[in-house]
Amino acid sequence: DAGVIQSPRHEVTEMGQEVTLRCKPISGHDYLFWYRQTMMRGLELLIYFNNNVPIDDSGMPEDRFSAKMPNASFSTLKIQPSEPRDSAVYFCASNLGSDTQYFGPGTRLTVL
Amino acid sequence: AQSVTQPDIHITVSEGASLELRCNYSYGATPYLFWYVQSPGQGLQLLLKYFSGDTLVQGIKGFEAEFKRSQSSFNLRKPSVHWSDAAEYFCAVDPSNTGKLIFGQGTTLQVKP
Repeated sequence: DAGVIQSPRHEVTEMGQEVTLRCKPISGHDYLFWYRQTMMRGLELLIYFNNNVPIDDSGMPEDRFSAKMPNASFSTLKIQPSEPRDSAVYFCASNLGSDTQYFGPGTRLTVL
Repeated sequence: AQSVTQPDIHITVSEGASLELRCNYSYGATPYLFWYVQSPGQGLQLLLKYFSGDTLVQGIKGFEAEFKRSQSSFNLRKPSVHWSDAAEYFCAVDPSNTGKLIFGQGTTLQVKP
């Protein structure tokens, strides 16, 4: 398997623009997680899905952030409008049941 | 408050020396426990995990960790560090055994030649 795939790997945008991050989990995995990593706050769980259904979005910072999982092989994390404080590395991860969680390579977002 | 603590933000060891990275958690029941490693610009890779059973867990790359219930600790060890081990190490817990991981702040390991 190719592992968890994220795109783009790097994104540079201007404040106020919409940003969409994409994730393809490992085939057959039923859980998908979105994390954000910053120097100040470390690794934070934003939201996770089980069988395409959002289970816990308590980590989503505000209404500007939204996530969807239209099918088992694709998820998006959208920020609209983006702000400079959203600059971070965003990771997607997936696992099967309570087994090992596998992380993607991350998307480095810079909002100018 | 429930938390995961890695007391050492930065550790420097000489190549060939032994290593121990500390991790403490504050959850009532024994959660699932993990150590991940992150190389610069990369995602996180699982080193090892503890769910139950033998409290000494072997992982990849020569790492091991010991779960100590009485101390709420899950320290990571390696007997002889290699230069390629320089990276950031994260301890994580899954307090409700649902896959929802809570991460420590991480420990950056520097290896001196």
